[in-house]
Amino acid sequence: GQNIDQPTEMTATEGAIVQINCTYQTSGFNGLFWYQQHAGEAPTFLSYNVLDGLEEKGRFSSFLSRSKGYSYLLLKELQMKDSASYLCAVRDTGGFKTIFGAGTRLFVKA
Amino acid sequence: NAGVMQNPRHLVRRRGQEARLRCSPVKGHSHVYWYRQLPEEGLKFMVYLQKENIIDESGMPKERFSAEFPKEGPSILRIQQVVRGDSAAYFCASSRASGDNQPQHFGDGTRLSIL
Repeated sequence: GQNIDQPTEMTATEGAIVQINCTYQTSGFNGLFWYQQHAGEAPTFLSYNVLDGLEEKGRFSSFLSRSKGYSYLLLKELQMKDSASYLCAVRDTGGFKTIFGAGTRLFVKA
Repeated sequence: NAGVMQNPRHLVRRRGQEARLRCSPVKGHSHVYWYRQLPEEGLKFMVYLQKENIIDESGMPKERFSAEFPKEGPSILRIQQVVRGDSAAYFCASSRASGDNQPQHFGDGTRLSIL
């Protein structure tokens, strides 16, 4: 079956670093995406991994291990505006169907 | 440089009525995806369309739901004879191509409420 697991909620302090984990079991794999979604708004694209390793983009980094079915999103120098849901999504082989996890709600406190 | 445009933002219907949700993709994007999101849950894939073609509708209920993406005009998600369980946020996304690292760009969604 298709399954993507993420923690439901996390809390971190402004200025700190937080790592949001994602494990997946899907019938196919053609890339993993991370999206940010503020309450009541559209998801916005953060990162994409298709090969093993770390992709860095400013304060955000994403890691992938295909053999372990595992990814994480790393957020550095947390800001209050980073409080949002973070969605892990896996694109199926064939290229178009994308399976989303339930999302991790991150609360950043002062 | 308009992004994905969805309308209406909010839609209220009574049980048994029809709901029509519209989505205009980013200019130049020919791939459209519809998702449903319940509160506190992730996005559930419904259907993937290209111009005038349904490519994958495996996530869409077999009855009452239909989608189209005509040659001219927006993509339409149509729900007939709505029931309370149809209440959700419906998001549309578009992309230039289906493969490689092309991310999907999302609209702000339509919040459907069934009375």
